[in-house]
Amino acid sequence: DQQVKQNSPSLSVQEGRISILNCDYTNSMFDYFLWYKKYPAEGPTFLISISSIKDKNEDGRFTVFLNKSAKHLSLHIVPSQPGDSAVYFCAATPGGYQKVTFGTGTKLQVIP
Amino acid sequence: NAGVTQTPKFRILKIGQSMTLQCTQDMNHNYMYWYRQDPGMGLKLIYYSVGAGITDKGEVPNGYNVSRSTTEDFPLRLELAAPSQTSVYFCASRDRGRLVYQPQHFGDGTRLSIL
Repeated sequence: DQQVKQNSPSLSVQEGRISILNCDYTNSMFDYFLWYKKYPAEGPTFLISISSIKDKNEDGRFTVFLNKSAKHLSLHIVPSQPGDSAVYFCAATPGGYQKVTFGTGTKLQVIP
Repeated sequence: NAGVTQTPKFRILKIGQSMTLQCTQDMNHNYMYWYRQDPGMGLKLIYYSVGAGITDKGEVPNGYNVSRSTTEDFPLRLELAAPSQTSVYFCASRDRGRLVYQPQHFGDGTRLSIL
């Protein structure tokens, strides 16, 4: 029962172009959505989040879009940089003390 | 500010051995978590704690135990190591966040192999 799905295991993008990472979820109780970035041999680090009351949140080069009716969110990185090459995890939670459910990750490669 | 510190970074165990994975955080966070990550998979929650003295099972608790005697420390115990427990283990913590949901801070992981 995979409640958070990242259907693209990998993505390659040219430096300077836009990277779009997608995530789908099934649980209507999810209220907060987060993106984490992970480099090899390190733990995930928080990147950006969005509450279910919003449809967009922006932080510098990173923007997350939420489409609640489609149960879909996406992370846009513009412009992409080689240092963005990492695995990106989508995560969702009902909030409060409740657990966070993670997707399986998308490995982004930004080609110089 | 060290954040979340996990020890050891690597360990090889024989089947049937036991060990404790250590996790400590210096951010005074109420919530702490243990996850495992298998190749090509997301993070699966093993156990979590909402405060000292309070722990609860996650999705995959079998074969593990935890304790939370202090706010800072949240050790994970493997009693009888099995090959299926070969994985990378991550500890995380987060603040309760009264107004805004606070994200988790992760340690760098413990890579455990059981042979």
